Amino acid sequence: GEDVEQSLFLSVREGDSSVINCTYTDSSSTYLYWYKQEPGAGLQLLTYIFSNMDMKQDQRLTVLLNKKDKHLSLRIADTQTGDSAIYFCAERRDNQGGKLIFGQGTELSVKP
Amino acid sequence: NAGVTQTPKFQVLKTGQSMTLQCAQDMNHEYMSWYRQDPGMGLRLIHYSVGAGITDQGEVPNGYNVSRSTTEDFPLRLLSAAPSQTSVYFCASSSHRDKSEAFFGQGTRLTVV
Repeated sequence: GEDVEQSLFLSVREGDSSVINCTYTDSSSTYLYWYKQEPGAGLQLLTYIFSNMDMKQDQRLTVLLNKKDKHLSLRIADTQTGDSAIYFCAERRDNQGGKLIFGQGTELSVKP
Repeated sequence: NAGVTQTPKFQVLKTGQSMTLQCAQDMNHEYMSWYRQDPGMGLRLIHYSVGAGITDQGEVPNGYNVSRSTTEDFPLRLLSAAPSQTSVYFCASSSHRDKSEAFFGQGTRLTVV
């Protein structure tokens, strides 16, 4: 995922908000996604945002999209220990057959 | 509805051996793909297919072959395994009509010794 960049680690205290950031390169990407991976498991879709939106809220999750800067963020409110996982952002490239290009993943550690 | 099924879940190979990782989906999705996951590198696309009979290379195709003879199945073949292919492999499928989600299998953890 060299075209999609994320920081590798984030540590927060339980109850705080977490913000995970991502930058991407292809301005023609139509969908941008956040996936969660728990240890030893596959990828679970958390949420997605269509490229003509700038914000999407879903319960504790808020996705912000800045198309000008090609910057995507995921905010988790009231972070719980069960939120500890690796979070991947991904962009969908419809002009390349619908490929998903992933970032390196951000490992979120929630301390009690 | 089984979704995306990958087999096996774990495999150990000796250098030079060949094997096929199986992937099947029952959602009639046109698009299927294979990724490998390595620490600190996210998921990298190996090969993908936009429909039966059509395959194309991703970022890291060397050492892997694929075929798509049916809509449901997309096997990944390692012809001569190398230690550099030790990784976790994920298969995914998605629909061109509903672009909101790609469905992933549970992964295959492959070790080449």
